[in-house]
Amino acid sequence: ELKVEQNPLFLSMQEGKNYTIYCNYSTTSDRLYWYRQDPGKSLESLFVLLSNGAVKQEGRLMASLDTKARLSTLHITAAVHDLSATYFCAVDEEWGNDMRFGAGTRLTVKP
Amino acid sequence: GAGVSQSPSNKVTEKGKDVELRCDPISGHTALYWYRQRLGQGLEFLIYFQGNSAPDKSGLPSDRFSAERTGESVSTLTIQRTQQEDSAVYLCASSHTLGASLVGELFFGEGSRLTVL
Repeated sequence: ELKVEQNPLFLSMQEGKNYTIYCNYSTTSDRLYWYRQDPGKSLESLFVLLSNGAVKQEGRLMASLDTKARLSTLHITAAVHDLSATYFCAVDEEWGNDMRFGAGTRLTVKP
Repeated sequence: GAGVSQSPSNKVTEKGKDVELRCDPISGHTALYWYRQRLGQGLEFLIYFQGNSAPDKSGLPSDRFSAERTGESVSTLTIQRTQQEDSAVYLCASSHTLGASLVGELFFGEGSRLTVL
């Protein structure tokens, strides 16, 4: 069964600081997704990573994928309060279409 | 509309009653997922539909849960004899596929918040 693990689950950081969220998964896949969820809202897509070594950047967020290590990272640069949200990674199993989600990382950025 | 539409947005019901939740995916999206999200928790996979293929029901937590999809359009998730532990937000998502493979991210509806008293 495909398992997706994120860490940390909770992250409190100061504005202006950098940090990385990690997403490990248990099976062969070269398709990984990052989503953002604001409190009381649904999920919106942030990044789609579709190959080994893929790197995507949007503003202060950068996501990368290492399919050999079965690891994706979401790096936050110079955090701002607006980035406070819960971030989920999700993996689409190579030989199936079960899109499985990690437990989410609840990020709080403090002034 | 252009997005995934879910109804009702909120549903309060008494324990033991049946509820039906509806999802209208984005037109042309052949893949449709249902997830459950309990308060403060992650997403729990329930069921997946892909075109006219047999659905993947492996995530349904009990036989009180069932889902149907009419072709590549509307889906309904039915919970019979609701229990308090069924209280959660039920999220529907759709995606485009090429053959049997996803070609991109999921697009989520706003969810149906179910409260079982």
